[in-house]
Amino acid sequence: DSGVTQTPKHLITATGQRVTLRCSPRSGDLSVYWYQQSLDQGLQFLIQYYNGEERAKGNILERFSAQQFPDLHSELNLSSLELGDSALYFCASSIDTDTQYFGPGTRLTVL
Amino acid sequence: AQSVTQPDIHITVSEGASLELRCNYSYGATPYLFWYVQSPGQGLQLLLKYFSGDTLVQGIKGFEAEFKRSQSSFNLRKPSVHWSDAAEYFCAVAAGLTGGGNKLTFGTGTQLKVEL
Repeated sequence: DSGVTQTPKHLITATGQRVTLRCSPRSGDLSVYWYQQSLDQGLQFLIQYYNGEERAKGNILERFSAQQFPDLHSELNLSSLELGDSALYFCASSIDTDTQYFGPGTRLTVL
Repeated sequence: AQSVTQPDIHITVSEGASLELRCNYSYGATPYLFWYVQSPGQGLQLLLKYFSGDTLVQGIKGFEAEFKRSQSSFNLRKPSVHWSDAAEYFCAVAAGLTGGGNKLTFGTGTQLKVEL
């Protein structure tokens, strides 16, 4: 157990819908990262937050957004969902820009 | 831009045999390197990391990896594989980004099968 928690574990929704994925980092970690794992793209970095502020952006679609709250938990919002958004979404956390510890992931299925 | 290559998509070994998983990286500066393992339906678990110093690093579950700068490699090894080691293994390099950000760039993974 890495200490990073993610909810929900599974999510099934329809195209065009909007979902929110939640992540709680390890105690004391200020950075939160989001990654997408799909069969065709592999593991891709989406976005990083540090102590409530966006710090780095990767291959994140405009339909996706994230935020980190004062209690340091983070949410990833996915809107106007498409079939191709079906993937495993991981959250990771680190103290600063150090070793990243991953949560168990949220499996999103878009029908 | 940084990249990681794991040339072996699948590897099958017998239980008790030794294991070596290959990883080559491309990064302009001194790399921070990691190996993660993912069991079916599970998240990514950190096996070991290299930041600096001794080029042979020890990790959990009896794994070790050796950093070779001249070969841009960071291969993962285990002297005797157990059936529970069957999983997918990912090599990753950490890249600093403008503004103090950071991200991991992953290889495509190596699926390890262990024959009893």
